[in-house]
Amino acid sequence: DAGVIQSPRHEVTEMGQEVTLRCKPISGHDYLFWYRQTMMRGLELLIYFNNNVPIDDSGMPEDRFSAKMPNASFSTLKIQPSEPRDSAVYFCASSFYASGANVLTFGAGSRLTVL
Amino acid sequence: QKEVEQNSGPLSVPEGAIASLNCTYSDRGSQSFFWYRQYSGKSPELIMSIYSNGDKEDGRFTAQLNKASQYVSLLIRDSQPSDSATYLCAVNTGFQKLVFGTGTRLLVSP
Repeated sequence: DAGVIQSPRHEVTEMGQEVTLRCKPISGHDYLFWYRQTMMRGLELLIYFNNNVPIDDSGMPEDRFSAKMPNASFSTLKIQPSEPRDSAVYFCASSFYASGANVLTFGAGSRLTVL
Repeated sequence: QKEVEQNSGPLSVPEGAIASLNCTYSDRGSQSFFWYRQYSGKSPELIMSIYSNGDKEDGRFTAQLNKASQYVSLLIRDSQPSDSATYLCAVNTGFQKLVFGTGTRLLVSP
C-alpha cells in the first residue's frame, strides 16, 4: 500500500485566496483525521470521519474551514478565505478500529504558507 | 488545563544513556495511550501503545502507565543519535478521538 497520500505537499498563497488540501487514506481504513501542526500549538485535531461521516468537528477553528469526505478514498479540507494565521502543516491520517484502539498512519503533510 | 501536557525540552542525553520522557493527561476516562516519534520535517510515526497500568517493553523502548496519577512515560535505553527527534504523547479521549501533546524534543549527543 502507498500509505496516506496528501496533496499538495507545499502551498503558498496570498491572504484571501481559497485553499484546498486533499487526502487519500489507506484502503480499508474506516477513520480519517485532519490535524494541523504549528510550533506554538503542536498537533491539533481539526475534524475526523468514520465511514465517511463527520464525527467531531469541534476543532475546526472557524467557519472559514470546511472538510468533506465524499467517499472512502478521498477527503478535502478547504479554507476560504485564507489568512496568514492559517500557515501551518496540515496532516491527514487514517486508521482502522482494531483491538479497541486506534492506530493512526499519517500522510506526509501539506505545508501551507499564507502571505 | 491542556488535555495532554509534555515538557517541550529539549532533553539532552549522551549516547548510551537512558532517556525518560513524561506526559500527563486530564481525562480520567482515557483508556489508550500512544507514543509517536516525529523527525524534523517528517510526519509522526507510532512507536508504542499502552492500555493498562504498568510497563510495556518493546526492544529499547519501555512505556509506563499510571492511570491513578494520569501519567504516561517513555523510556529509551541505550539512546542513539538516531533517536534524536520530537516525541509526541497521544491519548484516546473517547470515540477514537486522539489528542496529542505538544511534544518533547530529544537530543542524543555522540
